[in-house]
Amino acid sequence: GDSVTQMEGPVTLSEEACLTINCTYTATGYPSLFWYVQYPGEGLQLLLKATKADDKGSNKGFEATYRKETTSFHLEKGSVQVSDSAVYFCALFLMIKAAGNKLTFGGGTRVLVKP
Amino acid sequence: DVKVTQSSRYLVKRTGEKVFLECVQDMDHENMFWYRQDPGLGLRLIYFSYDVKMKEKGDIPEGYSVSREKKERFSLILESASTNQTSMYLCASNSPGQTGEKLFFGSGTQLSVL
Repeated sequence: GDSVTQMEGPVTLSEEACLTINCTYTATGYPSLFWYVQYPGEGLQLLLKATKADDKGSNKGFEATYRKETTSFHLEKGSVQVSDSAVYFCALFLMIKAAGNKLTFGGGTRVLVKP
Repeated sequence: DVKVTQSSRYLVKRTGEKVFLECVQDMDHENMFWYRQDPGLGLRLIYFSYDVKMKEKGDIPEGYSVSREKKERFSLILESASTNQTSMYLCASNSPGQTGEKLFFGSGTQLSVL
């Protein structure tokens, strides 16, 4: 079945450091790929999305490129802030039938940015 | 501002109790979902619904049931709560789309079963 694998956390880094969170997927077709972020005490919210190979999603200084050849969608940010401390989830969507629209999530990666 | 509202932020129940978790969305979304979130396991889909009175099993439906009598409301039911159902429960909704439309999440209900 479809699956998403993320690097395990927690990832601890200092402010202004570079962040990379690895995400790879297994899917039988050509999925759309997502990064969701969960800030402390809040629900998940969409960070960025890419719907086809070589697409780059970007938002709030974060970027991820859909790499079909390596089945990856790694999340990157060049200079993190304390406010980026959160749990990050990689997810995929594969349209199988008209009804329903479910995503498959990875295990989540907790990121802690220290001042 | 769009909203998915879960009725309780924290719940404490005893083993064997029947538990209802309620979720309401105000965006007229067709799809609604219940996930549970556990450390190291990420989000796992319990049930989802793509229309009123329609439901489909997700990846871990055992021990749960759902009800969707109105479009805006999706309830998760634990018929007889057990300690292994202690978890964070997240409700979400969206509209159907070819490339996967953005999910809107509630803030979650932390359920503890003693």
